[in-house]
Amino acid sequence: KAGVTQTPRYLIKTRGQQVTLSCSPISGHRSVSWYQQTPGQGLQFLFEYFSETQRNKGNFPGRFSGRQFSNSRSEMNVSTLELGDSALYLCASSLDGTSGGAREGDEQFFGPGTRLTVL
Amino acid sequence: KQEVTQIPAALSVPEGENLVLNCSFTDSAIYNLQWFRQDPGKGLTSLLLIQSSQREQTSGRLNASLDKSSGRSTLYIAASQPGDSATYLCAVKGSNYQLIWGAGTKLIIKP
Repeated sequence: KAGVTQTPRYLIKTRGQQVTLSCSPISGHRSVSWYQQTPGQGLQFLFEYFSETQRNKGNFPGRFSGRQFSNSRSEMNVSTLELGDSALYLCASSLDGTSGGAREGDEQFFGPGTRLTVL
Repeated sequence: KQEVTQIPAALSVPEGENLVLNCSFTDSAIYNLQWFRQDPGKGLTSLLLIQSSQREQTSGRLNASLDKSSGRSTLYIAASQPGDSATYLCAVKGSNYQLIWGAGTKLIIKP
C-alpha cells in the first residue's frame, strides 16, 4: 500500500505570492491533517479535513486555507506569502473509521513534506 | 493548555548502548501518545502509538511506556545502532483531537 505523498517536494516563492500544496493520503484513509514545521516553533497543527469538511483548526491566520476532495486528496493554500512562512509543510493521514472511538485512537502517518522557501 | 517537553534536547552515545528518551506533558487528559523519528530534511516516521488505556508498546528494539497520571512517557532503545541516529519526537492527542508536539531529542549514535 502506498504511503502518503506530497507534491511538490520543494518550492521557492517570493513574498506576496500564493502557493498551493497537495497531499494524497494512504488509500482508504479519510482524515488529512496539515502541519507546519520550523526551527523556531517546531511542529504546529494547521488544520484537519474529513469528508471534505474542515473538522479542526489550529491558530494560524486566514491566509492559510485548505480543502479536501471527494477522493480524500487535500490541498493547502497560503496566500500573500511572508518570509516567516518558510517551513516544511507536512501532511498526515489517518483511517478514522465511522465509529466514534476511532478518532480518539487513530494513528497518523506522515508524508515526506513540502519544503517551502519564501524569498 | 497542553505543553509537551522532551529531555534531553540532544544525546550522543556509543553504538551498542541502551538508552532512554523522555517525554512529559502537562495535561493528563489525552487520547493517545505517539513517538516518531525524523531524519534530516525528511518527513516523520511513526514508531509507536500508545493509547491512553495502555501502559506500554513494543516494536523490535523499541519500547515505549506511558504513565498518564504523572504525565510521562519514555522511549527505550535497546542495543543502539548508527542507523538509529535521528530526531525523536513525541506527540500527544488531547481532547481537542489535535496533536501537540515536543521539540524533539536529537540522537547521535557513534560507531
